[in-house]
Amino acid sequence: NAGVTQTPKFRILKIGQSMTLQCTQDMNHNYMYWYRQDPGMGLKLIYYSVGAGITDKGEVPNGYNVSRSTTEDFPLRLELAAPSQTSVYFCASRPIINRERGEKLFFGSGTQLSVL
Amino acid sequence: AQKITQTQPGMFVQEKEAVTLDCTYDTSDPSYGLFWYKQPSSGEMIFLIYQGSYDQQNATEGRYSLNFQKARKSANLVISASQLGDSAMYFCAMREGFGNEKLTFGTGTRLTIIP
Repeated sequence: NAGVTQTPKFRILKIGQSMTLQCTQDMNHNYMYWYRQDPGMGLKLIYYSVGAGITDKGEVPNGYNVSRSTTEDFPLRLELAAPSQTSVYFCASRPIINRERGEKLFFGSGTQLSVL
Repeated sequence: AQKITQTQPGMFVQEKEAVTLDCTYDTSDPSYGLFWYKQPSSGEMIFLIYQGSYDQQNATEGRYSLNFQKARKSANLVISASQLGDSAMYFCAMREGFGNEKLTFGTGTRLTIIP
């Protein structure tokens, strides 16, 4: 029962460094998402994907890139890290709408990123 | 205007009492969905309940129910018989329109259950 797996759990970056946050799900979900959560705030959508090869921008995409080469994986790339990108990052997925369960998102456990 | 407003930053409730967490929303789209998620101190986001704008009845999931008042644009979460494990942050969220993948979250309410 792995669900949505994110790595790493914690990371400290220096300003200007780059890194990739990994996200994989084993539920064969079509839809995948990246959210960020700033301290004391709700989540904001960075990017999402409705299937392999298809990605689209969310509310706060600047400074990030994504790719979706397989159904399982949806990595988030940070280029030229900035202090404003210090946040907790959540990956999530869901199947095509199931009316009985609502449009429930399955979340990973998060990646806490600090840019210093 | 805020799309999702949660006016209670924090609440303290005695164990076994019922608790209502407030959420109001703002949208002009007739098709929308409302969600509640729980975030314990461990950090993961846990889905609790969903209400569609066209659903005729209030959603229920075990001890959780959603008091959906469409005319007032409110979607309050009711937790019956609270337990110590209910202590967490609770987020209300909304998806507007059909085919819109963006969830808009409120700022959350921190619920603390007192033994």
